[in-house]
Amino acid sequence: AQSVAQPEDQVNVAEGNPLTVKCTYSVSGNPYLFWYVQYPNRGLQFLLKYITGDNLVKGSYGFEAEFNKSQTSFHLKKPSALVSDSALYFCAVRDYSSASKIIFGSGTRLSIRP
Amino acid sequence: DARVTQTPRHKVTEMGQEVTMRCQPILGHNTVFWYRQTMMQGLELLAYFRNRAPLDDSGMPKDRFSAEMPDATLATLKIQPSEPRDSAVYFCASGLVLWDEQYFGPGTRLTVT
Repeated sequence: AQSVAQPEDQVNVAEGNPLTVKCTYSVSGNPYLFWYVQYPNRGLQFLLKYITGDNLVKGSYGFEAEFNKSQTSFHLKKPSALVSDSALYFCAVRDYSSASKIIFGSGTRLSIRP
Repeated sequence: DARVTQTPRHKVTEMGQEVTMRCQPILGHNTVFWYRQTMMQGLELLAYFRNRAPLDDSGMPKDRFSAEMPDATLATLKIQPSEPRDSAVYFCASGLVLWDEQYFGPGTRLTVT
């Protein structure tokens, strides 16, 4: 069975500081990993994905994420946070090796204070 | 700028009434997903389609929910009869392939009184 966990319900960061939103996963085979962002009263918006290749993937709005197979993690990062990054962030995983459906995490609310 | 569209954006109805939500996926996308989002349950996958054929609807309450794709440009999610516990935001998403990124619509906010 596959699963994904976002251990923090909320992350608070000062503008200009680096931010990290954590995600860990469990799959029996190889993972496809995704990050999505949701702004208030909007649908989810794709940020970035890891399918294969370089463990560090870069996405929209200056975000990046590092795939760590040994720690089964896919943390989202940004070197310098903006107030406009405040939103709800979802990690998602799909097991490449099975015909499984995508599983979304519970979401982490990121709050950037000026 | 291709987008997934959903109608209506807001729906308020009384318990027992039928509700139909519609989704127009991005042209050329052959996978369509329906999700429900609530504060308590988070984001739940209700059903998904590939090439208009339902692949999995195990996330839906079978007795009252139904999802169809009458054609490649329209997906529908129907609730009959509706109940207050169905109050949520319902999202449609589409994608080129089943395993890749999805593009979400703006959602339908359903309130059942």
